[in-house]
Amino acid sequence: QSALTQPPSASGSLGQSVTISCTGTSSDVGGYNHVSWYEQHPGKAPKLMIYEVNKRPSGVPDRFSGSKSGNTASLTVSGLQAEDEADYYCSSYAGNNIWVFGGGTKLTVL
Amino acid sequence: EVQLVESGGGLVQPGGSLRLSCAASGFTFSGYWMYWVRQAPGKGLVWVSHISSDGSRPSYADSVKGRFTISRDNAKNTLYVQMNILRAEDTAVYYCVRQTSWAFDIWGQGTMVTVSS
Repeated sequence: QSALTQPPSASGSLGQSVTISCTGTSSDVGGYNHVSWYEQHPGKAPKLMIYEVNKRPSGVPDRFSGSKSGNTASLTVSGLQAEDEADYYCSSYAGNNIWVFGGGTKLTVL
Repeated sequence: EVQLVESGGGLVQPGGSLRLSCAASGFTFSGYWMYWVRQAPGKGLVWVSHISSDGSRPSYADSVKGRFTISRDNAKNTLYVQMNILRAEDTAVYYCVRQTSWAFDIWGQGTMVTVSS
């Protein structure tokens, strides 16, 4: 039950794009299309942003997109806005009724 | 409004016990698998446990197996976790979470558990 690997930090300027990676193994990210992404602002509960690799829940701006290649999933935020500054976590099903999260990435909007 | 509200957190000594509750409203509770996810201060999210919609299939992370017991009462729209033999490393905010489409779509506000002497 090892955590998925995310970069501790990422940054981008207002209006630009940034991509956050999430690396796992063939037993989790690479083995299932059950990767999701969460946004968490300080002191708040996480919010679902992407599910099943690349699907957006209702209400999430289309500036947020997800993808996967092999054992690595990615979250791209386009047209960065100030309110996008937050922590972002990936998650994946790992089989055998086990779930894993990434360590989180702090996104700074410059 | 779809809502999850946790309660039961607090300060407990190492080796002690605590039961968390999560009251669900605004959706058909009995139709969803439910989860507990925790977050230690300044740290990331960690899956703790989950239970099937009918309560027959619980699962646990290795770190809590044998110490935590998840359960639910669909008649009361409530999720529980009984936490025994608590350790300092169990100190965290505990979130009650609903799962749908292989993701966690509804989160409670969290309840803080502090294990300390």
